[in-house]
Amino acid sequence: EPEVTQTPSHQVTQMGQEVILRCVPISNHLYFYWYRQILGQKVEFLVSFYNNEISEKSEIFDDQFSVERPDGSNFTLKIRSTKLEDSAMYFCASSAQGPKNIQYFGAGTRLSVL
Amino acid sequence: AQRVTQPEKLLSVFKGAPVELKCNYSYSGSPELFWYVQYSRQRLQLLLRHISRESIKGFTADLNKGETSFHLKKPFAQEEDSAMYYCALAGANNLFFGTGTRLTVIP
Repeated sequence: EPEVTQTPSHQVTQMGQEVILRCVPISNHLYFYWYRQILGQKVEFLVSFYNNEISEKSEIFDDQFSVERPDGSNFTLKIRSTKLEDSAMYFCASSAQGPKNIQYFGAGTRLSVL
Repeated sequence: AQRVTQPEKLLSVFKGAPVELKCNYSYSGSPELFWYVQYSRQRLQLLLRHISRESIKGFTADLNKGETSFHLKKPFAQEEDSAMYYCALAGANNLFFGTGTRLTVIP
């Protein structure tokens, strides 16, 4: 069964450094999402992406964040200058149709900012 | 404003007992609701969605628009049901998640 793949599984970085989290959505899916989950808190929406542009972004997704689909398969989340409070589990998801249909989640990348 | 409330962070039941995980929502439009489950060391995965009205692993959930609820139920809990359960509401471009309920089924 096809899966959403995320790399790396764990990323440790120093405060102020740039990180790129990578995702390979399911191949025939057209809608892509990033969510994050701070330890002990709920899963929060960051951004949705369709047709090579952002569909919606949350308040969390400020100028420090960006997303890109650099080729036909990858979907990346970049944090330009990481802060301690960016430490969280980041989940990528994809869906064949819009968000009212089933979203398939990756296993997540745990980002630790020191 | 869209909101999903799961009032119980933790829920423990004995094997074979009925289980109900509560979910209430707030949404101005016609809601699309989901239950996602995360078993230990596994990814978030869809358990069921209200629109399909099916039973998955013995779980059912009925959308009650009057009470704005979408509670998850199972008549006889099994040990393998122990997991984190998230209720989610589909917005225009995303999913809104509740805080989740950790279900522990005691053997």
